Amino acid sequence: EPEVTQTPSHQVTQMGQEVILRCVPISNHLYFYWYRQILGQKVEFLVSFYNNEISEKSEIFDDQFSVERPDGSNFTLKIRSTKLEDSAMYFCASKGDSGANVLTFGAGSRLTVL
Amino acid sequence: AQSVSQHNHHVILSEAASLELGCNYSYGGTVNLFWYVQYPGQHLQLLLKYFSGDPLVKGIKGFEAEFIKSKFSFNLRKPSVQWSDTAEYFCAVMMNRDDKIIFGKGTRLHILP
Repeated sequence: EPEVTQTPSHQVTQMGQEVILRCVPISNHLYFYWYRQILGQKVEFLVSFYNNEISEKSEIFDDQFSVERPDGSNFTLKIRSTKLEDSAMYFCASKGDSGANVLTFGAGSRLTVL
Repeated sequence: AQSVSQHNHHVILSEAASLELGCNYSYGGTVNLFWYVQYPGQHLQLLLKYFSGDPLVKGIKGFEAEFIKSKFSFNLRKPSVQWSDTAEYFCAVMMNRDDKIIFGKGTRLHILP
């Protein structure tokens, strides 16, 4: 069964450092997402991406965050200057065409900011 | 603002007990509804979904959910749980003409052997 893969599985970084989380969505999917889950809290929407541009973003997705699809297969989330409160599990998801409303999630990348 | 509410944050049951996890959403339009499960140390997996048609939907591993439009609810049920059902369960909603899903806070289910 096709999978969404994420790397790294766990990253520890110092506050203020830049972090890039990588995702390889399912190959024929067109819509891409990042969600995050702070420990003990709900899974929150960050951003959606379609046709090489952001289609929607939440209030959480401020100027410190950016997304990119650099090479047609990877979908990255960059945090420019990490804060302690960015510590969370970050999930990438993808889905096919607009009629297929099922998101397939990756295993997540755990980010720990010290 | 649209939201998804899961009433039970932590549920502990013995094996063979029946399960019902509540989920309500606040949105008056057309919705697609989902239950995702996250087993310990694993990623979110789709358990079942409702798009249209029969409001009683069956998913994997003996789970089912019933969409009651008048109550804005999509409760998850299983007649007899197993120890392997220990996991966190998330209700999620996709609003009409939207392409993202919104999750509830999750219910942590612990099954005693």
